[in-house]
Amino acid sequence: QVQLQQSGPGLVKPSQTLSLTCDISGDSVSSISSAWYWIRQSPSRGLEWLGRTYFVSRWNYDYAVSGKGRVTIKADTATNQIFLQLNSVTPEDTAVYFCVRGLHYGPFDHWGQGTLVTVSS
Amino acid sequence: EIVLTQSPGTLSLSPGERATLSCRASQGVSSNYLAWYQQKPGQAPCLLIFDASSRATGIPDRFSGSGSGTDFTLTISRLEPEDFAVYYCQQYGSSPRTFGQGTKVEIK
Repeated sequence: QVQLQQSGPGLVKPSQTLSLTCDISGDSVSSISSAWYWIRQSPSRGLEWLGRTYFVSRWNYDYAVSGKGRVTIKADTATNQIFLQLNSVTPEDTAVYFCVRGLHYGPFDHWGQGTLVTVSS
Repeated sequence: EIVLTQSPGTLSLSPGERATLSCRASQGVSSNYLAWYQQKPGQAPCLLIFDASSRATGIPDRFSGSGSGTDFTLTISRLEPEDFAVYYCQQYGSSPRTFGQGTKVEIK
């Protein structure tokens, strides 16, 4: 059974870096059939895809246009984790952040529990 | 990117009634790669339907999906108390994957 367990701080100061970790069990982060996403949800923006990583021949990374330059996603095969970093945060980055498994040519079938991150001084 | 527009924004119904939710895409969804999710307060979205009409594992048969191209529908044949929630459509036929803004099904 695939499970995604998120961890990370719930409060980040403006201009600092938001960092979240997602522990994956029941699947491998380097599985050729899966991609690993970070998605956030806020009342103003709804559900918003931030980026993804997946392993096909090599590690691949895609980022949403809205987050390019601020978002970094990494994967660690040794610990079977993925990581999100969002730099230079503002209050507009306040949202619930989810790590999610998406099958290639398939839907988002497993979600982490979500982490509410508030950007405030 | 493909914009998904859901209607109505809110659906007020009673338990036992039929719910019909619409999702319209700004352009055709490749291979009808469209999914529906249910979200309850404080929880992550949960996959209900994929490939427009296939039920995910463990989803009751009162949930059904239909449609193709740019017009898709989620139908709940008889609403149970646990079905009152927000429903999102999402396409995965082209990148970036996008979501609709959601339809809230509330108790009348």
